[in-house]
Amino acid sequence: DQQVKQNSPSLSVQEGRISILNCDYTNSMFDYFLWYKKYPAEGPTFLISISSIKDKNEDGRFTVFLNKSAKHLSLHIVPSQPGDSAVYFCASGSYNTDKLIFGTGTRLQVFP
Amino acid sequence: DVKVTQSSRYLVKRTGEKVFLECVQDMDHENMFWYRQDPGLGLRLIYFSYDVKMKEKGDIPEGYSVSREKKERFSLILESASTNQTSMYLCASSDRATTQPQHFGDGTRLSIL
Repeated sequence: DQQVKQNSPSLSVQEGRISILNCDYTNSMFDYFLWYKKYPAEGPTFLISISSIKDKNEDGRFTVFLNKSAKHLSLHIVPSQPGDSAVYFCASGSYNTDKLIFGTGTRLQVFP
Repeated sequence: DVKVTQSSRYLVKRTGEKVFLECVQDMDHENMFWYRQDPGLGLRLIYFSYDVKMKEKGDIPEGYSVSREKKERFSLILESASTNQTSMYLCASSDRATTQPQHFGDGTRLSIL
């Protein structure tokens, strides 16, 4: 049973526009959520996180929104740049375990 | 900066071979993890370790074992490699009991022929 789902396998956005990547989860007990970015032939790198007690966290061009009632989080990238083209994974964690549960990933392509 | 180093970027082995994948981290992290990444399936946890000589099964441990004899090193072992173990393998480490993110190595692309 997939506890963390990314229903869009791919997304294509024009440079300068907003990219919105979505993630749904089933377990209301998750304490925090993270987004990772992965380029081909490299490991995932941490991008941004949010605690379950917050509904928004912002870091430069990246903002993560959390809607606990809908069990949904999203990553907004604005403005999108060609260098943002990568696979993005959302992940969920709990304070009582050091494990993360990852989604299946969304491939973002930002074109000029 | 945290450095997680995986010993091989690409590896080709034959069915039935015993395969060792090595991972070393330099940040004195307690936790270390092995994942595999497959298209459409995301990152799936194989095993993790929260201390030397300690290990716990992840979501897909079948066909794998691990070894953690030193804090900085975590090895993944394919006891008898099979073609369905062809995948990208990713190692990660993190501090224990914090919300600091896991840090990943660059991965090993393993092909089993």
